[in-house]
Amino acid sequence: EDQVTQSPEALRLQEGESSSLNCSYTVSGLRGLFWYRQDPGKGPEFLFTLYSAGEEKEKERLKATLTKKESFLHITAPKPEDSATYLCAGGPDTDKLIFGTGTRLQVFP
Amino acid sequence: DAGVTQSPTHLIKTRGQQVTLRCSPKSGHDTVSWYQQALGQGPQFIFQYYEEEERQRGNFPDRFSGHQFPNYSSELNVNALLLGDSALYLCASSFFERIGGYTFGSGTRLTVV
Repeated sequence: EDQVTQSPEALRLQEGESSSLNCSYTVSGLRGLFWYRQDPGKGPEFLFTLYSAGEEKEKERLKATLTKKESFLHITAPKPEDSATYLCAGGPDTDKLIFGTGTRLQVFP
Repeated sequence: DAGVTQSPTHLIKTRGQQVTLRCSPKSGHDTVSWYQQALGQGPQFIFQYYEEEERQRGNFPDRFSGHQFPNYSSELNVNALLLGDSALYLCASSFFERIGGYTFGSGTRLTVV
């Protein structure tokens, strides 16, 4: 069964304290690995798509990487405005995404 | 450029009632997908519409149905509401068969009492 698992469930960081979020997946014929940010009461906001192992993408303080079994979202020197739930999703095809349960990140000043 | 628009933003219904949620996709997008997100969970795929037809469906009962109109907007209908249907319903639009990030709306928060 296709599955996406994220860890940790929650993460508390001091401002400036770098860390990584993990997304492991078992998705047959993965065609894309997606990262989204979701603020409370809002829909997910697209961050990155990774297509093949070894690929990396960066946006401001965020960097996403992909291996054959997992993806990492690295957060460098986070700020309080980075506080959100980060969702990972795998796409076996273009019709649907399989989401993990997310990592709830809190960054304190 | 307007993104994905969903209405209403909040809704309270009684068990057994029926509900219709609406979605206007991002300008230029032709495909609409619906997801259900329970509290503390990731979104779960309900179904996808393209060219006014249901293309693929997730593990949801027939009480969940949808429609896409010629202008690409879409409706999600849920019949015989159960308490467990309480969730955030998300609409996402995209270009058909193009791998890439969906654009999600802010969702409709449905509470069934």
